[in-house]
Amino acid sequence: QVQLQESGPGLVKPAGTLSLTCSVSGGYISSSHWWSWVRQFPGKGLEWIGEIYATGGTKYNPSLESRVTISVDRAKNQFSLILRSVNAADRAIYFCARVDYTNSLVRWFDLWGHGTLVTVTS
Amino acid sequence: SFELTQPPSVSVSPGQTATITCSGDPLPKQFACWYQQKPGQAPVLVIYKDSERPSGIPERFSGSTSGTTVTLTISGVQAEDEADYYCQSADINTVVFGGGTKLTVL
Repeated sequence: QVQLQESGPGLVKPAGTLSLTCSVSGGYISSSHWWSWVRQFPGKGLEWIGEIYATGGTKYNPSLESRVTISVDRAKNQFSLILRSVNAADRAIYFCARVDYTNSLVRWFDLWGHGTLVTVTS
Repeated sequence: SFELTQPPSVSVSPGQTATITCSGDPLPKQFACWYQQKPGQAPVLVIYKDSERPSGIPERFSGSTSGTTVTLTISGVQAEDEADYYCQSADINTVVFGGGTKLTVL
């Protein structure tokens, strides 16, 4: 059974860089799916950050695109998130998730990691 | 981008039917899906492509669509169904979530 697990620092300094990794176990980062990051703010709202295909193609939320990079390491069966120039508004639970789809307009998250809380504080 | 609008809360007694709506202009052209999230847990997919149910999801969960509104229906609500529910859709550039609906089982 495929499982996802986020890892990375829980505290990041203002103006610093948030860096998280999602490890995939029980399966492989395959070309059958996209692999995504989603965050959830303290008030509970969910926000899609972006996603990556197994071969490295990416899509980003236009509102975050200037600060985000998602990468994949198929040898390690991991994909990663970098969010630059963070501020207090970036405090959230960060989830990695697997994306299933029929086409670019029909996508859903069929598997999620447990999530990791990232706080921005000096 | 676009927005998806959900009611903040819905309350229902055990055994009754709960309906949670999600409205957005693109919905007649774009499929939607639904997630259930319990406190301290990750979201779980309960409906995709408007009305498809993933394996392992009870049959009491169903989805439908009409015009610019998609609806999640939970028939014979059980206490364990108390949770937050989110709709989600996508266009070619982005993925959007609704604001979430807290389902309370009285």
